[in-house]
Amino acid sequence: GAVVSQHPSRVICKSGTSVKIECRSLDFQATTMFWYRQFPKQSLMLMATSNEGSKATYEQGVEKDKFLINHASLTLSTLTVTSAHPEDSSFYICSARLVISGNTIYFGEGSWLTVV
Amino acid sequence: GEDVEQSLFLSVREGDSSVINCTYTDSSSTYLYWYKQEPGAGLQLLTYIFSNMDMKQDQRLTVLLNKKDKHLSLRIADTQTGDSAIYFCAERGDSGNTPLVFGKGTRLSVIA
Repeated sequence: GAVVSQHPSRVICKSGTSVKIECRSLDFQATTMFWYRQFPKQSLMLMATSNEGSKATYEQGVEKDKFLINHASLTLSTLTVTSAHPEDSSFYICSARLVISGNTIYFGEGSWLTVV
Repeated sequence: GEDVEQSLFLSVREGDSSVINCTYTDSSSTYLYWYKQEPGAGLQLLTYIFSNMDMKQDQRLTVLLNKKDKHLSLRIADTQTGDSAIYFCAERGDSGNTPLVFGKGTRLSVIA
């Protein structure tokens, strides 16, 4: 079964509003989670590294004030897309590292965001 | 920075073997992964291999690693229509919290 759960799987929001995506590690603690973004027919691009109890580390070109990441507990990281625009429409996916299985990285199911 | 390259498309007949190739540039890559993504779905971990291994077999899947040439391949035996998907190669180093670096994905089409 899934070890990383992501919610919601699909969300539609209006331009200018904010939307929150949750990423939960099930049955294990994840001090670090990663957030990726995937545009249609393209590969996954790392947006940021989410660190429990501290600020996220953002990749170059990713606006930290627009994509707010909070990793308040060892099993939950959230990505909030603020003041969403249609160009933010994308597939967002999180991952967490399961140390006990040889550092395997598992992904959530992903969240399809459509901004209208 | 690190780079992972894959061919974009592969078409095979049902029942044949599929071989998806991947090359990477990071010589410190420690873990190499294959993920499968079906249309509209997230990523499914298929298999992974450590850099100190040459081969790993898991049912219909065989992963071959040539560390000298930084070449990774995924062989799917007896390919089925349900195997049609995008396959991503990814690598990461050994440092505790390094993220994955992905290739662009290979779209596998299985012809009945």
